Amino acid sequence: KAGVTQTPRYLIKTRGQQVTLSCSPISGHRSVSWYQQTPGQGLQFLFEYFSETQRNKGNFPGRFSGRQFSNSRSEMNVSTLELGDSALYLCASSLLGTVYNEQFFGPGTRLTVL
Amino acid sequence: AQTVTQSQPEMSVQEAETVTLSCTYDTSESDYYLFWYKQPPSRQMILVIRQEAYKQQNATENRFSVNFQKAAKSFSLKISDSQLGDAAMYFCAYKYGDSGGSNYKLTFGKGTLLTVNP
Repeated sequence: KAGVTQTPRYLIKTRGQQVTLSCSPISGHRSVSWYQQTPGQGLQFLFEYFSETQRNKGNFPGRFSGRQFSNSRSEMNVSTLELGDSALYLCASSLLGTVYNEQFFGPGTRLTVL
Repeated sequence: AQTVTQSQPEMSVQEAETVTLSCTYDTSESDYYLFWYKQPPSRQMILVIRQEAYKQQNATENRFSVNFQKAAKSFSLKISDSQLGDAAMYFCAYKYGDSGGSNYKLTFGKGTLLTVNP
């Protein structure tokens, strides 16, 4: 079974632009979570989607948004990019997103904001 | 709010020896899950081991075992017979989900960078 895939793997943007990152979960998984990883703040939860609905949201500004499609693929969007948005963005999928289900992580998208 | 603390930013171990990584957490919940994740330089996060809080017995996965002290809110990872491939960033994580399923997120510690010396 194929693992979690994320595209693109690397992105370079400038301040003020917007960006869209994509995540394809493991086949059959309905929950997709997004995390931001930075050297200073570590790994922080952004949001989780289940069956096309945002079920949980972390403490990030409204510039960060996401969505999930009927095939469980998910995208996250960051508008009006700031230098501090430079990070590794990780996506994780799980079967139902319950506390019992293991989360499988993708390789991440490295976003650099200049 | 739940917090996870890893007090050792870096650790090193000689190949074939044993190393213990520390983790403490803070929560007011009684039922939750704890995890150790490994993130090698390739960046793919991999689950190493997990512990359910209501289980008294410490989890074990081959060379990896945990020492779970619920009262002390401590969850350390022991790696026995360390191998070069164990070199990675290790993250301790906590997960709690209420009965409604509305809060199933992972809270991570800042990580411990493990170096394995040949």
